Amino acid sequence: GESVGLHLPTLSVQEGDNSIINCAYSNSASDYFIWYKQESGKGPQFIIDIRSNMDKRQGQRVTVLLNKTVKHLSLQIAATQPGDSAVYFCAEPRGGSYIPTFGRGTSLIVHP
Amino acid sequence: ETGVTQSPTHLIKTRGQQVTLRCSSQSGHNTVSWYQQALGQGPQFIFQYYREEENGRGNFPPRFSGLQFPNYSSELNVNALELDDSALYLCASSLDYNEQFFGPGTRLTVL
Repeated sequence: GESVGLHLPTLSVQEGDNSIINCAYSNSASDYFIWYKQESGKGPQFIIDIRSNMDKRQGQRVTVLLNKTVKHLSLQIAATQPGDSAVYFCAEPRGGSYIPTFGRGTSLIVHP
Repeated sequence: ETGVTQSPTHLIKTRGQQVTLRCSSQSGHNTVSWYQQALGQGPQFIFQYYREEENGRGNFPPRFSGLQFPNYSSELNVNALELDDSALYLCASSLDYNEQFFGPGTRLTVL
C-alpha cells in the first residue's frame, strides 16, 4: 500500500548549519509531494512542494530534492535558525487531490 | 497566520460522551478537511467537505461525523468517545481542491 515515512525522528543541529531532513515513499506512481512545518501549538504550514517531473526545487533557504529512482526526497534548510525548530512532515496527496497523507515527522532542534 | 480558526482550543471529556469541534474557514475557501493528530504522529485524514457535501473519508468509524454550513464553516462531531480519541484535531480549508491551510487545532483529552 501507499506510505510516506521518514528516516529519523529527531535531528539536532547548531544554529547556522545546514539541515537535511529525509523522507522515503513507496508509491512509485506518486507525482506530487509537499513538505510541511509544524511548530508547537500550531497546525502544519506549507513550506514547499515538488512535482515528479522535477528533481529539485528551491525556495527561500529551502531546497527539496526528489530521487524517483530510489523513491526518496529530502528537505534542505540552509543556515538553520532557532525559528526553524519544528516538526517537519513530507506528505503525498491522495489520488489527484490535495489531501495529504502524512508520515510521522522529523523533529528538528536547533541549538544556539 | 492562515485565517483558519478553531474552537475550542482545549477540551476535556469523559469516555462515552459526545463532542463537537468547530472550524471557520479562511475567507474565500469552500472546502474543509478534518484531521486527527495523535501525539508524536502525523495528521490522519478524517473527511473532507466541499460545498456542504462530504467529499472523501479516511479510515474512521461512523461515530466521526461532520457538517459544513452555507458560510463554509464546519463542525466535527464525535460520539461515544473512547480514550484513543485523545488527540489534536486539525481543520484545513482550501479553495476547491487546492493547497490546504491549517488551523491551530483543538486539543481533545478523553478521560
